[in-house]
Amino acid sequence: DARVTQTPRHKVTEMGQEVTMRCQPILGHNTVFWYRQTMMQGLELLAYFRNRAPLDDSGMPKDRFSAEMPDATLATLKIQPSEPRDSAVYFCASGSGSKREGEQYFGPGTRLTVT
Amino acid sequence: RKEVEQDPGPFNVPEGATVAFNCTYSNSASQSFFWYRQDCRKEPKLLMSVYSSGNEDGRFTAQLNRASQYISLLIRDSKLSDSATYLCVVEAAGNKLTFGGGTRVLVKP
Repeated sequence: DARVTQTPRHKVTEMGQEVTMRCQPILGHNTVFWYRQTMMQGLELLAYFRNRAPLDDSGMPKDRFSAEMPDATLATLKIQPSEPRDSAVYFCASGSGSKREGEQYFGPGTRLTVT
Repeated sequence: RKEVEQDPGPFNVPEGATVAFNCTYSNSASQSFFWYRQDCRKEPKLLMSVYSSGNEDGRFTAQLNRASQYISLLIRDSKLSDSATYLCVVEAAGNKLTFGGGTRVLVKP
């Protein structure tokens, strides 16, 4: 049963520290998405990759966030420096890149708490 | 006005009953539509893609009304396990996805 995996599942850090979240998309999927979910804002798209190339990162705060795909099996989301307002659940999702990009498979998420 | 709007609920549903709720979208150029289900403290999972005017999958029926710019989800013979938050997703041109805030459904014995 192919799944998207994310590490770490939980992260507690102090304000100002760097946070790196990792995602392994489903093998063969060529689109990867990073989302952030909070009670107040719901699910927000941060970044979107196709064939490892970034297509849309307009939802991501550029000054502190960065997203990369070093290879087809790894996507990373970094926050440096982290702030308390970054506390949220960060989801990675992958898709087959078919005509319907909305058909995505989500990982279990990284629950980030910044104190 | 939000691009994708949903009634947050909760919709309290007796077990075995039918429940339906809508999702409205503002971009008339939207091309594809989806329903996701999210359980508490879990990731969203694709429930249904909505094709042309609608489609059915077991107890779940999704319908699209392009003229009025909304999609609906109907759940028949509700089970306790149907309790979840249902997220509407709208895909516009350029594969831009927008998620609604979700509708919470509570099925009670």
